[in-house]
Amino acid sequence: QQQVKQSPQSLIVQKGGISIINCAYENTAFDYFPWYQQFPGKGPALLIAIRPDVSEKKEGRFTISFNKSAKQFSLHIMDSQPGDSATYFCAASGDTGGFKTIFGAGTRLFVKA
Amino acid sequence: NAGVTQTPKFRILKIGQSMTLQCTQDMNHNYMYWYRQDPGMGLKLIYYSVGAGITDKGEVPNGYNVSRSTTEDFPLRLELAAPSQTSVYFCASSYRQGADEQFFGPGTRLTVL
Repeated sequence: QQQVKQSPQSLIVQKGGISIINCAYENTAFDYFPWYQQFPGKGPALLIAIRPDVSEKKEGRFTISFNKSAKQFSLHIMDSQPGDSATYFCAASGDTGGFKTIFGAGTRLFVKA
Repeated sequence: NAGVTQTPKFRILKIGQSMTLQCTQDMNHNYMYWYRQDPGMGLKLIYYSVGAGITDKGEVPNGYNVSRSTTEDFPLRLELAAPSQTSVYFCASSYRQGADEQFFGPGTRLTVL
């Protein structure tokens, strides 16, 4: 019930293309869904996050789509650039119940120039 | 504002040796976390702390110990190192628990031979 399943494990996209990473969760008490970006040799850093009261959140080229009934959320990277090549982690957490943040297994994105 | 700092960056241990991974944050965050990152496995929570003097186990605490004597510092102790503890270790901090951004350090890459 505490798992967050992330797919795909790895993704190769042409420059200018759309990168899509999907995540699914089980615990309906989660109410905060962040995405973290990690470059090689660095720690993860928050990219964008969403609460379940909205179905979509956009920040620049990065968009989170959220489907509460399906318990799924996804990250879309529009106009993907070589500088976006990194590992992306979805996560789920909540304000109540002392929830720890549960991370997905990660997706390694490579954007070909 | 240095954020979260970790030392050392790299370390090789022999089986049975002990060591302490250091973590310091200068953001006055009450909440601090230790994660380990293994390839394809995401981030697993080892221990966390909700304030000075208060610590609790995460998902994978066996073989590790922590202490939190100050708000700033949260060292992780490995006793009797084993090859299964070969991993990259990340320290993180946040202002609130649960639905809040976590700030990660640069990581410590540990190899146990």
